[in-house]
Amino acid sequence: AQSVTQPDIHITVSEGASLELRCNYSYGATPYLFWYVQSPGQGLQLLLKYFSGDTLVQGIKGFEAEFKRSQSSFNLRKPSVHWSDAAEYFCAVRSGGYQKVTFGIGTKLQVIP
Amino acid sequence: DTGVSQDPRHKITKRGQNVTFRCDPISEHNRLYWYRQTLGQGPEFLTYFQNEAQLEKSRLLSDRFSAERPKGSFSTLEIQRTEQGDSAMYLCASSLVGASGGYRPYNEQFFGPGTRLTVL
Repeated sequence: AQSVTQPDIHITVSEGASLELRCNYSYGATPYLFWYVQSPGQGLQLLLKYFSGDTLVQGIKGFEAEFKRSQSSFNLRKPSVHWSDAAEYFCAVRSGGYQKVTFGIGTKLQVIP
Repeated sequence: DTGVSQDPRHKITKRGQNVTFRCDPISEHNRLYWYRQTLGQGPEFLTYFQNEAQLEKSRLLSDRFSAERPKGSFSTLEIQRTEQGDSAMYLCASSLVGASGGYRPYNEQFFGPGTRLTVL
């Protein structure tokens, strides 16, 4: 069964600092991977996705993520964090033949001045 | 395109009451999904429809839960005899697959704002 691990429940970074949120997945074949962001009381917004091809994918709001098959990872990065990036971030995986998306527990990002 | 909408945004009910939520997907989307998100957790898949057909149900969807999508457009999720454990955010998402129903890997799901249910 597919699963997602986000080892960091809560991360605090200073505004302007770089950010990396970790995500590890468990799935036998090549997965479809996603990062979503959720602001308080809001639904999920898709930041970026990986299906195939270039393992470094660019998303919205200056985010990028790198798929590393050998490490079963899909970490999210941003070179310079803005205060408006404070939110909860979810990594998700979907297997090729199924519609069900499995989400990680989420990482709550706090940005301090 | 107004996005996925959900109604109501918040619902407070007493244990044992029935509640119904509505989801309106993006107009041309033929797939509709329901997820549940409890505090401190990621969303968990409940069920999904292709047009009006309910194609998959999670084990989380007990017999007190029923979902419908009668005309292949909006969907309702009803919870009967609510329990305090049903308190959660209920998220709806929609996506578009090919007219032939063929699999498209870039079938990304667009989420609504959710309905927050509190059972007292």
